[in-house]
Amino acid sequence: DQQVKQNSPSLSVQEGRISILNCDYTNSMFDYFLWYKKYPAEGPTFLISISSIKDKNEDGRFTVFLNKSAKHLSLHIVPSQPGDSAVYFCAASYSAGKSTFGDGTTLTVKP
Amino acid sequence: NAGVMQNPRHLVRRRGQEARLRCSPMKGHSHVYWYRQLPEEGLKFMVYLQKENIIDESGMPKERFSAEFPKEGPSILRIQQVVRGDSAAYFCASSPSGPSNYGYTFGSGTRLTVV
Repeated sequence: DQQVKQNSPSLSVQEGRISILNCDYTNSMFDYFLWYKKYPAEGPTFLISISSIKDKNEDGRFTVFLNKSAKHLSLHIVPSQPGDSAVYFCAASYSAGKSTFGDGTTLTVKP
Repeated sequence: NAGVMQNPRHLVRRRGQEARLRCSPMKGHSHVYWYRQLPEEGLKFMVYLQKENIIDESGMPKERFSAEFPKEGPSILRIQQVVRGDSAAYFCASSPSGPSNYGYTFGSGTRLTVV
């Protein structure tokens, strides 16, 4: 039973436009949600997180939105840059326990 | 200010051999997590350790796999009698004080190939 799902394996956007990556979860006990970025042959790098008591968190070009009633979160990247091309993982945790990851979405930003 | 160091980066083992994967956490980090990424899949949690203690091993296969994080030295993930299905990228991550909203710091991974 996959508790964190990223239903889009890939996404392609034009440079300068907005990238929206989506993530759904099933466990209502999750209280922290995180996004990681991963380049080939490297480990994931933490990007941004959000607590379940908030519905939005912004850091530069990256904004994460949380809709608890829908058990859905999204990562917005504006404007998208070619260097943003990578695999993006959504993760969730509860009670300071381990993080559960989705299967990732490969983002390609075309110049 | 070295990050999380994993070695070896690549490891080739024949079926039935043992694989030992090492992870040195970031300086000041006492919490270590191991994840496995099979081809075309996401990161799957294996085990969470603090110094000398296993906190959560709910993702570890019951047989052939073990992990430790001794008082001195790196964390070790040990796979005995490897099979082809163990071929994967194994990532180690660390954090200073347990899981938090600041995320983990990951190493570059060890890519295990079983032939």
